This record gives sequence, structure tokens and C-alpha cells, in this order.
Amino acid sequence: EAQVTQNPRYLITVTGKKLTVTCSQNMNHEYMSWYRQDPGLGLRQIYYSMNVEVTDKGDVPEGYKVSRKEKRNFPLILESPSPNQTSLYFCASSQGEGTPASTDTQYFGPGTRLTVL
Amino acid sequence: DAKTTQPTSMDCAEGRAANLPCNHSTISGNEYVYWYRQIHSQGPQYIIHGLKNNETNEMASLIITEDRKSSTLILPHATLRDTAVYYCIVRVYRETSGSRLTFGEGTQLTVNP
Repeated sequence: EAQVTQNPRYLITVTGKKLTVTCSQNMNHEYMSWYRQDPGLGLRQIYYSMNVEVTDKGDVPEGYKVSRKEKRNFPLILESPSPNQTSLYFCASSQGEGTPASTDTQYFGPGTRLTVL
Repeated sequence: DAKTTQPTSMDCAEGRAANLPCNHSTISGNEYVYWYRQIHSQGPQYIIHGLKNNETNEMASLIITEDRKSSTLILPHATLRDTAVYYCIVRVYRETSGSRLTFGEGTQLTVNP
């Protein structure tokens, strides 16, 4: 089954304790992206990757890191989490978003609810 | 980037058509209109997209006005499971960054029995 998986689904942690949220897709997609969703602010893009070893900042990258060492995985790293990073996080992937005519749709994972105390 | 404007909430009776409007008056000629929905904090789900012509798939129909300044998503026979937040998005393409989907607040559609 084609899908995007995220782990963990729920996480409660404390300020400053490094954590990683994993994202994996089995569709051989080139493009992957991380979003956060907060009440009243909609979904905002954190980082995206157009292919292996190619990553770039989205709208709200501060406090986050990503890596894309292989096509299927795109982990989100919080080196020193803070309470303002408490949010619902979504990973997404699509075949390619690299051309004007590309109309590939993004497939979203189930979400990771993170609470930083 | 083109912004979209949607009503905050709408209600619809089960079995009736749900018509969700969206204004995107600053859309550029090569920018697509996408619709996604999100059911109760699950990952957003793609519904449909279009450029100029009206589109239909198994989930919905998309009507885009001739001037492309607005569009309407139509769920022909709404069911209780269609209760969700519906996002109208203008897909922006840039040479350096590929395409971007910018989600707004969307419309909370409630289908009532």
C-alpha cells in the first residue's frame, strides 16, 4: 500500500532534549516536505527536499533540521526543543514538484503530535 | 503569492450537494487551484485540482470561473464522512524551489443528518 509513515505518532518531551521524528515513503517520490499545524495558523511548511541531498527552508525553519540521505526517508530533527515547538507535524511526499507543469499531488502522513514541556 | 479567501464554516444536509466557494483574485495564468481536505487532525487528503477547465473525479467537481478569480468545489451527494476542513490552495511554482502549497484556514464543512 502506498503510504507515508511517521514515527512516533505522539511524543511528550522536555525542553532541550534532542528528538527526531522520522518520515518514510514507499512511493519512490522525489519531493518530501515537513509542515507544522497550529490553531489559527493553518499548515506552515518547515523544510522541503526536492531530491536526495537537496534540502531547503520553508516558511518556519527556525529550530529545526532535516536531512535527506536516501530517497525514502526525511527525518525532522529538533536539536533543542522548546515549548513553542509544541504542535502537530505532518510529513508529505510527491513524485516531483520541479517543473511548472508538474501537477503531482502531495500525500500526507498521519501526523505526529508533539508536546514540549 | 496568490491568496485564497474561503468562508470559515458551512453546513450541508446529508445527501444534498455541498458547494464550497473560494476566491483567488490574484491568481496568475499558470497557477493551478488545488483542493485538499482534512478530517479531524488527520493528514490532509487531495481532492481535485484544475487550471482553467472544469474538472470532475470520483470525489468531487471543480468549477473555475472564466476569469479564474474564483472557483467552487462541489461534493454532489454529501455524507456524514465528508465533514472536514476543506482547503482551497493556489499552487505556486518557482524555478529555484519547485512548487509550493500554502494552506490557509480553510472552510469547516459540517454535514448534518
